Amino acid sequence: AQSVTQLDSQVPVFEEAPVELRCNYSSSVSVYLFWYVQYPNQGLQLLLKYLSGSTLVKGINGFEAEFNKSQTSFHLRKPSVHISDTAEYFCAVSDGGGAQKLVFGQGTRLTINP
Amino acid sequence: EAGVVQSPRYKIIEKKQPVAFWCNPISGHNTLYWYRQNLGQGPELLIRYENEEAVDDSQLPKDRFSAERLKGVDSTLKIQPAELGDSAVYLCASSFSGSGTGELFFGEGSRLTVL
Repeated sequence: AQSVTQLDSQVPVFEEAPVELRCNYSSSVSVYLFWYVQYPNQGLQLLLKYLSGSTLVKGINGFEAEFNKSQTSFHLRKPSVHISDTAEYFCAVSDGGGAQKLVFGQGTRLTINP
Repeated sequence: EAGVVQSPRYKIIEKKQPVAFWCNPISGHNTLYWYRQNLGQGPELLIRYENEEAVDDSQLPKDRFSAERLKGVDSTLKIQPAELGDSAVYLCASSFSGSGTGELFFGEGSRLTVL
């Protein structure tokens, strides 16, 4: 069975500082990997996804993530954060066979301080 | 293009009362999901539909939860009777299985508070 571990439940950073949100997954098959963002009282919005190909994936709002198969990781990064990036971030995995069943991590709350 | 629409956005009920949530997926999306998100947690799948068929309902508490997706479009999730532990946000999502991307599109959720 697939599982996702987000190593940090909360990450506080100062505005314009870089940030990395960590995600590790467990799966016995090839996977698709996703990062979703959830702003307060809203649904989840896709930030970026890895399906195949280049291991460095760029998403919306200046975020990027790197797929590392040997370390089973998919960490999310942004070189300079803004107040508007304050939100909950979820890493998710689905099997590459097209079942389209997403398994989510527990989430990381990113707080940007001025 | 309209996104996934859910209603109601908020619902407060007393325990043992029934409650129902409605979801209208993105037009053309054949796969529909109901997830439950407890406070401070990630979403957990309750049920997944491919068209009208429930293909994965292993995590749905069938003693009190039921769902239907008539005509393979809109879906309703019902809880009867509700318990205190059912307080959560119920998220509906949809996708097109032929896209090959695995991306799900989420509604804004229905927040349930059971008193």
